[in-house]
Amino acid sequence: AQKVTQAQTEISVVEKEDVTLDCVYETRDTTYYLFWYKQPPSGELVFLIRRNSFDEQNEISGRYSWNFQKSTSSFNFTITASQVVDSAVYFCALSEGFLYNFNKFYFGSGTKLNVKP
Amino acid sequence: DSGVTQTPKHLITATGQRVTLRCSPRSGDLSVYWYQQSLDQGLQFLIQYYNGEERAKGNILERFSAQQFPDLHSELNLSSLELGDSALYFCASSYLGTSGSLVGELFFGEGSRLTVL
Repeated sequence: AQKVTQAQTEISVVEKEDVTLDCVYETRDTTYYLFWYKQPPSGELVFLIRRNSFDEQNEISGRYSWNFQKSTSSFNFTITASQVVDSAVYFCALSEGFLYNFNKFYFGSGTKLNVKP
Repeated sequence: DSGVTQTPKHLITATGQRVTLRCSPRSGDLSVYWYQQSLDQGLQFLIQYYNGEERAKGNILERFSAQQFPDLHSELNLSSLELGDSALYFCASSYLGTSGSLVGELFFGEGSRLTVL
């Protein structure tokens, strides 16, 4: 079973539209971290946010917001008023294993966001 | 700039050859991860080192090997290269606490793009 599922392979929106990228994760650990990364066409991976399993507060950073819901094992990412520069592949990731003195990172397959002018 | 340095940025070689990719983690980061990203694919975890020791292994082929040196830089060796090994290889680093727990996010290098002809 996939540890991190990003069911949306590709999304296309028109500039200024809001868009939500879905992420569903699976873990038996009580302590874990969730992340979002952005990979623009240039190829580098840019860290966007980290959230630990004990902090279910939603976070807003400018046009970006994240909704963490443990009840549904989801960590969704919303871009408000999308811009062309938001076009990228977005990866959700899970890190677990802290109780066993190691940790692994699991990445979803990514969602490609195309924002058209 | 993430602080993680990868060399070379681009590499073109022929099938059957061997290459070495190098990674210098962020200052103070003890853990190094290697990921492979094939064209339009997600991130495949290869291997993780912590302070010179192998910590976790993913889907790394037997033709591939890695190590982390006392100065914490890491090298990924790819041998008997095949066309299918063409990919973007990322190195990432993170700081792990004394208990091995993840303290922060992964910081990625810009990747080494390998083309096997």
